[in-house]
Amino acid sequence: AAGVIQSPRHLIKEKRETATLKCYPIPRHDTVYWYQQGPGQDPQFLISFYEKMQSDKGSIPDRFSAQQFSDYHSELNMSSLELGDSALYFCASSLFGELFFGEGSRLTVL
Amino acid sequence: KNEVEQSPQNLTAQEGEFITINCSYSVGISALHWLQQHPGGGIVSLFMLSSGKKKHGRLIATINIQEKHSSLHITASHPRDSAVYICAVSRGEGSQGNLIFGKGTKLSVKP
Repeated sequence: AAGVIQSPRHLIKEKRETATLKCYPIPRHDTVYWYQQGPGQDPQFLISFYEKMQSDKGSIPDRFSAQQFSDYHSELNMSSLELGDSALYFCASSLFGELFFGEGSRLTVL
Repeated sequence: KNEVEQSPQNLTAQEGEFITINCSYSVGISALHWLQQHPGGGIVSLFMLSSGKKKHGRLIATINIQEKHSSLHITASHPRDSAVYICAVSRGEGSQGNLIFGKGTKLSVKP
């Protein structure tokens, strides 16, 4: 069965650069959630989209933005990267509340 | 005080043992999730509960809404069960995936 696909799986950037992470939900899932998990930390909810509209917002920095496209995939754009942005970024998709997580994208900022 | 508390933080068991991980929460919730995270980082959703009990294979999850408490049980534990188990709750308001995460229980099952 198709799962949630995230790309890239690993990304290395310099401070002040920009990064874009992509999330492809399970087919027919209409909701996407983004989470950030810093080293040794609990995951934190960033933002979610339902039917291509932002549906909820958590602790997402102003330097980050995200959107969901017509094919339901979502992109998380991160600008002016800081060392503290180094983390594992998960997305999850859902249709009726049950969550399905991707493998995560590990961002390292040097 | 964290809104979602898990215990124990670390757990070492021998293969075959019965394991219980506990989760208490202090906020209103619409659902409680048990998640499994392996060393590579990937997260797998094990259960989503809003009441009662669910069973999947050797895993059982229960929730007591009145007491704001949930337990995850693993019967006949196996080394492949070694992982971090995370309890997370969906807030009463907001989207289902707007989760408050517990700090996780690191389980190690020895052969």
